[in-house]
Amino acid sequence: GAVVSQHPSWVICKSGTSVKIECRSLDFQATTMFWYRQFPKQSLMLMATSNEGSKATYEQGVEKDKFLINHASLTLSTLTVTSAHPEDSSFYICSAREREGGSEQFFGPGTRLTVL
Amino acid sequence: RKEVEQDPGPFNVPEGATVAFNCTYSNSASQSFFWYRQDCRKEPKLLMSVYSSGNEDGRFTAQLNRASQYISLLIRDSKLSDSATYLCVVFNQAGTALIFGKGTTLSVSS
Repeated sequence: GAVVSQHPSWVICKSGTSVKIECRSLDFQATTMFWYRQFPKQSLMLMATSNEGSKATYEQGVEKDKFLINHASLTLSTLTVTSAHPEDSSFYICSAREREGGSEQFFGPGTRLTVL
Repeated sequence: RKEVEQDPGPFNVPEGATVAFNCTYSNSASQSFFWYRQDCRKEPKLLMSVYSSGNEDGRFTAQLNRASQYISLLIRDSKLSDSATYLCVVFNQAGTALIFGKGTTLSVSS
């Protein structure tokens, strides 16, 4: 099956720093990637939809200037949490859709961010 | 009404039990429905898609009731390895992204 990787798996940083998370589709091309955030005992919340070569579409309430998304190639999307604060500590998961119009998404293993 | 609502759980059952999870969705135009499984601190993994005619995969059976906007998952002969959180998932109104329910936690004990 299709494999999606994320890097790093976990990161601890000081408040005010920026953190970049990478999401890669390893054996397929992903025209669309999705970024989710999950707080403890909560559901995955879609943050933004990232289309290769164009600007990401952010969900309501997600600050686009704080969560910078870049989808420069068909196999890589990055999420940068700028000026991270403790309330940004969460589990960030990306997913990739293999083909246009396809419904199945393949999820990365997630990145656990802890901001001190 | 939330887009996707699930049984609050947790469900604690013995091995061999049959357990059912329910889910309701708010968008009557939704076309695609799924059950995902998520283990603690792991990414969600697709368990099965839910079709209008219902579908079965081994011990797992999914049903869809469009009139009631209701989805169910039945697990027969529960195994210890079934312990996880089960997420009900539907496409958003635009049909472009998945919307997850909060999940129902299942704990199977010996």
